Amino acid sequence: AQSVTQPDIHITVSEGASLELRCNYSYGATPYLFWYVQSPGQGLQLLLKYFSGDTLVQGIKGFEAEFKRSQSSFNLRKPSVHWSDAAEYFCAVGADTGNQFYFGTGTSLTVIP
Amino acid sequence: DTEVTQTPKHLVMGMTNKKSLKCEQHMGHRAMYWYKQKAKKPPELMFVYSYEKLSINESVPSRFSPECPNSSLLNLHLHALQPEDSALYLCASSQERQPRGTQYFGPGTRLLVL
Repeated sequence: AQSVTQPDIHITVSEGASLELRCNYSYGATPYLFWYVQSPGQGLQLLLKYFSGDTLVQGIKGFEAEFKRSQSSFNLRKPSVHWSDAAEYFCAVGADTGNQFYFGTGTSLTVIP
Repeated sequence: DTEVTQTPKHLVMGMTNKKSLKCEQHMGHRAMYWYKQKAKKPPELMFVYSYEKLSINESVPSRFSPECPNSSLLNLHLHALQPEDSALYLCASSQERQPRGTQYFGPGTRLLVL
């Protein structure tokens, strides 16, 4: 079955530290990959997306993600976290086969001073 | 401009009430979506409209009734809801229908059913 996994339910990092949020997917076809961020009580904001081409994708707010086909992963990274990055992060994956689109379960990020 | 607007921001309704949620986008997107999101959970797809036609209904109870009056507007009519329907309701739009289309989300309507 198709699936999207975010293994970390909750992550705590210190302000200024680096961040990596994991996303793994299970699809037979080449997927469309997205990362969204959601602040409390807000809608989802697109951070970045990957459809094809360069496997390292730059997004907004200093985030980047790397598509690794061999590992079926699309991990989100930021070199230096700011307190305002505290939020819920959702990986999402789509595939043309069956017009499928799924969100991962999310990773909650806490940033400590 | 990647803005999707939703009204109202908050809504409290009784189980016998009828209310509507509204969503609007002016990006020329041809696909629009309704999602339901419970606290600490990912959004769950409810409905997809593509070119103003309902293309996906994810087995949503009939007490939720979507409507797409034109390509910029999407409504969700609510009737005889249950307390478990309390959630954040998100609207999204995309140029193409999922999965290819990048979805842009509104801020949501927080619904409380008493």
